[in-house]
Amino acid sequence: DIQMTQSPASLSASLGETVTIECRASEDIYSNLAWYQQKPGNSPQLLIYDANSLADGVPSRFSGSGSGTQYSLKINSLQSEDVASYFCQQYNNYPFTFGSGTKLEIK
Amino acid sequence: QVNLLQSGAALVKPGASVKLSCKASGYTFTDYYIHWVKQSHGKSLEWIGYINPNSGYTNYNEKFKSKATLTVDKSTNTAYMELSRLTSEDSATYYCTRSLRRVPYYFDYWGQGVMVTVSS
Repeated sequence: DIQMTQSPASLSASLGETVTIECRASEDIYSNLAWYQQKPGNSPQLLIYDANSLADGVPSRFSGSGSGTQYSLKINSLQSEDVASYFCQQYNNYPFTFGSGTKLEIK
Repeated sequence: QVNLLQSGAALVKPGASVKLSCKASGYTFTDYYIHWVKQSHGKSLEWIGYINPNSGYTNYNEKFKSKATLTVDKSTNTAYMELSRLTSEDSATYYCTRSLRRVPYYFDYWGQGVMVTVSS
């Protein structure tokens, strides 16, 4: 199985700041990577697919980048509604696997 | 609008089985795979497997092969997941979600989740 190592596990930042979350795959996943946002008590919601494509309705302050085994999610100009957990997921190989998640809080 | 509506929370006894449902609406049911994902309390997500509603073909995560059985009823646009021989390790929230039937297989819509509690 492909292991997805996500960091940091938690993050605290101020409103308006830029934050970055990293995800490393145990082997090349050819940009077959998605990022999801999960607010407390809610289902995960798709943010980014194919490593850098913004899902419909997602604010442009979210962006994804990376290739090979290294990927990142950047959130510009942090807003209060961005408080959530964020997960990466590879869909290059079965079984699909997720990162362990990053919990984002506002300072 | 696309909606995946899951059945309500379940409290089940150890050793029993439970069948969860996921009713799809707002799109052509047979155009998308239905996947199931497990989230243990406060933890990350695990992919259980998917079913192709058009053919009934299933693909399971090896870890869940003897635990989960995926089926569909095309007449009601509903997908089911039966979990058998339940233990406390199966207590979790289970989501259904969908992906295209071709690459890329990201999950664009999710059900609201159903909490399964295994307790005597």
